Amino acid sequence: DTGVSQNPRHKITKRGQNVTFRCDPISEHNRLYWYRQTLGQGPEFLTYFQNEAQLEKSRLLSDRFSAERPKGSFSTLEIQRTEQGDSAMYLCASSSWTGTSGGDTQYFGPGTRLTVL
Amino acid sequence: EDQVTQSPEALRLQEGESSSLNCSYTVSGLRGLFWYRQDPGKGPEFLFTLYSAGEEKEKERLKATLTKKESFLHITAPKPEDSATYLCAVQVNRGGGFKTIFGAGTRLFVKA
Repeated sequence: DTGVSQNPRHKITKRGQNVTFRCDPISEHNRLYWYRQTLGQGPEFLTYFQNEAQLEKSRLLSDRFSAERPKGSFSTLEIQRTEQGDSAMYLCASSSWTGTSGGDTQYFGPGTRLTVL
Repeated sequence: EDQVTQSPEALRLQEGESSSLNCSYTVSGLRGLFWYRQDPGKGPEFLFTLYSAGEEKEKERLKATLTKKESFLHITAPKPEDSATYLCAVQVNRGGGFKTIFGAGTRLFVKA
C-alpha cells in the first residue's frame, strides 16, 4: 500500500506565476479530492472527482484554479496568476466509493506547501 | 448553515493524564463523522469513522464516541508521541452527493 502521493512537497513562486501540483491516489481508488489548509484551520474542500468526472467545485475555487483527472488516475491542480492569498497547504485525498450507504472515508497525502512571494 | 466546532482549541496534558476532545456539529443529513490526526507539516492521518449515534470505536489509547449532536475523542494515559492536532470532519448529504466539513482542530500537547 503506497498511499497517496503529492508532488512537489514544497513550491515557492512569485506573485503572478502559474503553478501546477500533482496527486497520485491510492491504487484503484475511484474518488479524488483536493483541499486547501491554512495555518490553524482545518482543510477546506475545493473539488472532487469520481473517476475522470469532476463532480463538484467549491465557491473557493475561483476561475484561476483548474483541476483535471484525465484518465481517472492521477490528478493535477493548476493555479494561474498566483496571489499571496493562495499561500497554503494543498492536500489531496482519495477514497474507494462503492455507492452504498454510510460515509466516504478519505485518505490524505502529505500535501504540497505553496508559498507565494 | 452546516457547522463543525472543536473544543478546546488547545489542550496541554501531562503524560498519563486522560482527557477528552469534543467535536460538536450542526448539520442535517449526516452520513458519517471522521477523526483524523495531523502532525505538523503533514497530511491528516485517518483514525476513525462513526456512522450512527451510540457507536464507539477504539484504537490503542484512543476511543471515539458519537451522539446526535457531538463526538468525543477520549485519550487514555496519553504519551508524548500522542502530541498532534486532532481533526474532526462530518460528511453530509447535499444535492446529488455529499460534502465534507472539517473543524479547526484541537492541538494536543503531552508533556513527559
